[in-house]
Amino acid sequence: GAVVSQHPSRVICKSGTSVKIECRSLDFQATTMFWYRQFPKQSLMLMATSNEGSKATYEQGVEKDKFLINHASLTLSTLTVTSAHPEDSSFYICSARQGRDEAFFGQGTRLTVV
Amino acid sequence: DAKTTQPTSMDCAEGRAANLPCNHSTISGNEYVYWYRQIHSQGPQYIIHGLKNNETNEMASLIITEDRKSSTLILPHATLRDTAVYYCIVRPWNTGNQFYFGTGTSLTVIP
Repeated sequence: GAVVSQHPSRVICKSGTSVKIECRSLDFQATTMFWYRQFPKQSLMLMATSNEGSKATYEQGVEKDKFLINHASLTLSTLTVTSAHPEDSSFYICSARQGRDEAFFGQGTRLTVV
Repeated sequence: DAKTTQPTSMDCAEGRAANLPCNHSTISGNEYVYWYRQIHSQGPQYIIHGLKNNETNEMASLIITEDRKSSTLILPHATLRDTAVYYCIVRPWNTGNQFYFGTGTSLTVIP
């Protein structure tokens, strides 16, 4: 299957700082990318959908000013958690899809805010 | 809105077939059934998908009932590495719709 790479795999940051997570499709052009968040022992919750070159569409209840998403190219999307707080600590996962095909997922980023 | 119902957990003996059921009684005509699995602390891994015919690949088989209201994912010879949470998702093929995850089935393969 296609490869989606996330970086970093884990990050620890201080409360109030911002953290950027990168998601890259390595061997295909991702027309659509998705960002998910997963708390311990829970399922994946979709945060937003982004199409290359356009603004992201956020799910209800997700603050777009706090979770900034940029999908500047067909192989890269970034999620920036601004002014992070301990409650933002979670497992963040990106997914990428080319056209109508099945989506492929990155390995996830474990964010810990202290 | 996950639109699917799966058992919370299942056990399977190593080497035996694991049969994971999924109910999707409100599935629409243009919606496919997708299966993903998530091994602990990793991103989900695509397994298989289908519309109405049974499908098989190197990982698993997907059996969809004739009325399409339920399906079963079959891992023919389960190994310890198949221990994971398995998610059944229905989604239209011909749109850019997102994948919404339900609670999934936690499969434990027992030695």
